[in-house]
Amino acid sequence: EDQVTQSPEALRLQEGESSSLNCSYTVSGLRGLFWYRQDPGKGPEFLFTLYSAGEEKEKERLKATLTKKESFLHITAPKPEDSATYLCAVQAFSGGYNKLIFGAGTRLAVHP
Amino acid sequence: KAGVTQTPRYLIKTRGQQVTLSCSPISGHRSVSWYQQTPGQGLQFLFEYFSETQRNKGNFPGRFSGRQFSNSRSEMNVSTLELGDSALYLCASSLVPDNNSPLHFGNGTRLTVT
Repeated sequence: EDQVTQSPEALRLQEGESSSLNCSYTVSGLRGLFWYRQDPGKGPEFLFTLYSAGEEKEKERLKATLTKKESFLHITAPKPEDSATYLCAVQAFSGGYNKLIFGAGTRLAVHP
Repeated sequence: KAGVTQTPRYLIKTRGQQVTLSCSPISGHRSVSWYQQTPGQGLQFLFEYFSETQRNKGNFPGRFSGRQFSNSRSEMNVSTLELGDSALYLCASSLVPDNNSPLHFGNGTRLTVT
């Protein structure tokens, strides 16, 4: 069964304390992996797309990497404004359609 | 360029009633998907529309339905509301389906069923 698991569920960091969020997946026919950021009361905001193992994308303090079984979202020297829930979603081809499977998310809190 | 717009932002309904939610996709986007988000289940796929046709449907009861208009705007309807339908309903759009590009989400409609 296609599955996406994110860890940890919640993460508390001090400002400037770098860390990584994990997204592991078991899907057949991977078409792409997406990272989103969601603030309370808002919809998910697109961050990155990764298509193949070894690919990396960067944006400000965030860097996403992809292997054949998992993706990492590295946060370097985080600031309080990076506090949010980070969602990973995997796009797989199944039954003639692309389907997007979301993980449960990691709630990140960055304290000054 | 305006993002995905969902109306209303908040709704309070009573069990047994029905509700209609609206979504306007990003200009030029022709594919619209709907998701239900709850604390316990996360983001669950409801259905996807393209060219006024439902292409794909998630595992939700028939009380959940939707449609898409010729201008790509979409509505979803939930009939005979149950307490468990309380959730954030998110609409997302993309240029076309199945092209591996990311979905762009609106800020959702928060539905509370009492």
